[in-house]
Amino acid sequence: AQSVTQLGSHVSVSEGALVLLRCNYSSSVPPYLFWYVQYPNQGLQLLLKYTTGATLVKGINGFEAEFKKSETSFHLTKPSAHMSDAAEYFCAVSPRSEKLVFGKGTKLTVNP
Amino acid sequence: NAGVMQNPRHLVRRRGQEARLRCSPMKGHSHVYWYRQLPEEGLKFMVYLQKENIIDESGMPKERFSAEFPKEGPSILRIQQVVRGDSAAYFCASSPMGTGDYEQYFGPGTRLTVT
Repeated sequence: AQSVTQLGSHVSVSEGALVLLRCNYSSSVPPYLFWYVQYPNQGLQLLLKYTTGATLVKGINGFEAEFKKSETSFHLTKPSAHMSDAAEYFCAVSPRSEKLVFGKGTKLTVNP
Repeated sequence: NAGVMQNPRHLVRRRGQEARLRCSPMKGHSHVYWYRQLPEEGLKFMVYLQKENIIDESGMPKERFSAEFPKEGPSILRIQQVVRGDSAAYFCASSPMGTGDYEQYFGPGTRLTVT
């Protein structure tokens, strides 16, 4: 069975600081990996995805993530946080079937 | 191109009533997925449908829940005899092809409150 663990349900950073949101996954087959962002009372928006190829994936709004098979990780980073980045972030794995398995989410707070 | 549409956005039901949640996928998308988000939890897969077919319902509770995606019209998630534990946000997503390589586009969700 596939599973996703997001370390830290809440992360707080200062504006301009590095954002690092951690995601580890478990999958019996090579997975597809995703990061989604959810703003309050809204649906999920895809930030980036890894399917095959280059392990460093760039997404929207300056975010990127690196697939590390040996560490079964797919951590999300952004060099410089902006106030508008405050939201909840979800890591998800698709075991090459049609459903996404989500982590519990990490709420990011950006302090001025 | 309109996104995934869900209605209603908010739904209040008394215990024992029925809840009907609607999802219109993006234009050209023939695959629909339903997820449930409980408070402080991530999204949990419920069901995956194509037009007139249920492909995977492994996440659906065995009783009271059903889903359909007819040839014409929106996908419907139906919850009979709702209980307080059904209170959650229900999200629909759609994709153009069911290969796993295509991202799923999410709607804004329906927030169900059972009183």
